[in-house]
Amino acid sequence: NAGVTQTPKFQVLKTGQSMTLQCAQDMNHNSMYWYRQDPGMGLRLIYYSASEGTTDKGEVPNGYNVSRLNKREFSLRLESAAPSQTSVYFCASSEDRRGLVTQYFGPGTRLLVL
Amino acid sequence: RKEVEQDPGPFNVPEGATVAFNCTYSNSASQSFFWYRQDCRKEPKLLMSVYSSGNEDGRFTAQLNRASQYISLLIRDSKLSDSATYLCVVNSRFKDSGNQFYFGTGTSLTVIP
Repeated sequence: NAGVTQTPKFQVLKTGQSMTLQCAQDMNHNSMYWYRQDPGMGLRLIYYSASEGTTDKGEVPNGYNVSRLNKREFSLRLESAAPSQTSVYFCASSEDRRGLVTQYFGPGTRLLVL
Repeated sequence: RKEVEQDPGPFNVPEGATVAFNCTYSNSASQSFFWYRQDCRKEPKLLMSVYSSGNEDGRFTAQLNRASQYISLLIRDSKLSDSATYLCVVNSRFKDSGNQFYFGTGTSLTVIP
């Protein structure tokens, strides 16, 4: 199993450009998440999807949109990138095994917005 | 108030030392607790889950105190390879929104030869 995969690994954008970050998991997990990680801030939840067909806002959703395309895939879109969106983006999925919920992360996408 | 708080460190310890990290959480209804390890420029990886009874995995021991709402991680006989950032993570389950995870900002550990 590949686990959680993300593309691209790195991206440089100019202010105002748009892009979509892709995420896929092959573990048959229902829940998927998008986080951003900035120095000194820890991981902050952007959006999550508790199950296929549902999405909800997290702590910092402004400037982002998401699509839960199917059970495997959860994409994050920046419609008009801003320098404040320079960050490392992690996708994650979680399983609930007999009440113990565990989260697994993709390798991350490093985004620089100029 | 942050959901999860950790001392950011850094902790610089010699090889072979014992080091302990603590973390506090604010939601008394939280249900699952974890320590993740994050190496520089890498994704967080699960180190261990934390149970009320305490649990041990080799040189690592995790404890949960629900009454005081804190979680601890003890690393014995530190190795150079233990150098990383350790994230305290708390999970709460909501009827309508499923599982939510809350992360501390991480505690940085450097093990010195």
